[in-house]
Amino acid sequence: DGGITQSPKYLFRKEGQNVTLSCEQNLNHDAMYWYRQDPGQGLRLIYYSQIVNDFQKGDIAEGYSVSREKKESFPLTVTSAQKNPTAFYLCASSMNPALLPGDTQYFGPGTRLTVL
Amino acid sequence: AQKVTQAQTEISVVEKEDVTLDCVYETRDTTYYLFWYKQPPSGELVFLIRRNSFDEQNEISGRYSWNFQKSTSSFNFTITASQVVDSAVYFCALSLTQGGSEKLVFGKGTKLTVNP
Repeated sequence: DGGITQSPKYLFRKEGQNVTLSCEQNLNHDAMYWYRQDPGQGLRLIYYSQIVNDFQKGDIAEGYSVSREKKESFPLTVTSAQKNPTAFYLCASSMNPALLPGDTQYFGPGTRLTVL
Repeated sequence: AQKVTQAQTEISVVEKEDVTLDCVYETRDTTYYLFWYKQPPSGELVFLIRRNSFDEQNEISGRYSWNFQKSTSSFNFTITASQVVDSAVYFCALSLTQGGSEKLVFGKGTKLTVNP
């Protein structure tokens, strides 16, 4: 089945620790995205990548880092510099926004991160 | 500013009622794309529809219909004969092009509860 997987589903972290959230897609999509969702809020863009080995900051990149070494993988690291990391994190992908403007983004099931 | 407003935070209806979820957007672009997503309690965002700015024709898909009006910058979503399974948070989103890259701007969502 083609789709986007995120792991783990639930993640607990102690303050001061870095943690990495996994996102994998087998849709052969070029672009991948990370969003953060807080209760009662819409999604806010953290980072996005339109092609392997390239990524850009979104609206709330501070305290986060990413890598895009493979087309199918876009892991997100939440560092200790992120002051309020407890949130629901969603990964998405789309085919190729440079060639297909307004292309649909498809989302994974999300990871709920809680800082203890 | 380019943004999406979903003024209805929560809506509660009884099964079989019709319900309309409002979405108003602001953009300077002449070409843009609008989306609706459904987020059930499981958390994953499910794509419902994509509409480009040149296509003002209303769309119907089963019990779902969408009314796109450029004159009022609105893209409203109606569920006819609502069912309990329609209970979810619904997000409207606008595709935004910046610096050659595309990203989605989301509204804050409308939580729909359909009671039996």
